[in-house]
Amino acid sequence: DTEVTQTPKHLVMGMTNKKSLKCEQHMGHRAMYWYKQKAKKPPELMFVYSYEKLSINESVPSRFSPECPNSSLLNLHLHALQPEDSALYLCASSYTRGGAFSGNTIYFGEGSWLTVV
Amino acid sequence: AQSVSQHNHHVILSEAASLELGCNYSYGGTVNLFWYVQYPGQHLQLLLKYFSGDPLVKGIKGFEAEFIKSKFSFNLRKPSVQWSDTAEYFCAVNTNYGGSQGNLIFGKGTKLSVKP
Repeated sequence: DTEVTQTPKHLVMGMTNKKSLKCEQHMGHRAMYWYKQKAKKPPELMFVYSYEKLSINESVPSRFSPECPNSSLLNLHLHALQPEDSALYLCASSYTRGGAFSGNTIYFGEGSWLTVV
Repeated sequence: AQSVSQHNHHVILSEAASLELGCNYSYGGTVNLFWYVQYPGQHLQLLLKYFSGDPLVKGIKGFEAEFIKSKFSFNLRKPSVQWSDTAEYFCAVNTNYGGSQGNLIFGKGTKLSVKP
């Protein structure tokens, strides 16, 4: 089973709201990722967690706050977002955060469509 | 810096035509290469991947890709496309390079439109 589950599938929030995106995988993967994808663009890496520790933050604004409560769960807390933050947010996971020697496949969830109004 | 180039921004084909989408990457070390497909309004799905061994890899839905190390290329092919292949196709690479290790670097994508 190569499944990454994301909730909610769609979210509309105001600029003063606080909301969270959730991601879950039960493949025993120890690396989890958040990507952001704008329309007609490739996914852009936001955060990487490896063994529940944040290992990469790609200069993401602090209004996005990731959290990895355990090895199966990854959250993205949203606060005071701007309309330009509207996008598809993709969660992904892989066995480890290894490079090309590891032969890792990164599996993506279906994404959460976020609209900020 | 590493990069992935997809030369075709938008490809329009008729059904039954053959397809080849170009992908080049700029990294001299060991790479893992991927093609993902994204159907309209849907999420990324893995089409195929190359880690090592036979440079000609076969994926789902009749797609294949050939890794040519000397050309830093990983082109996607399909002998006969169908209307249902209409989608955005992304080439991606995983390297051993520094802070990018384990992260996917995506090309800008190629939109494929297949006319019935």
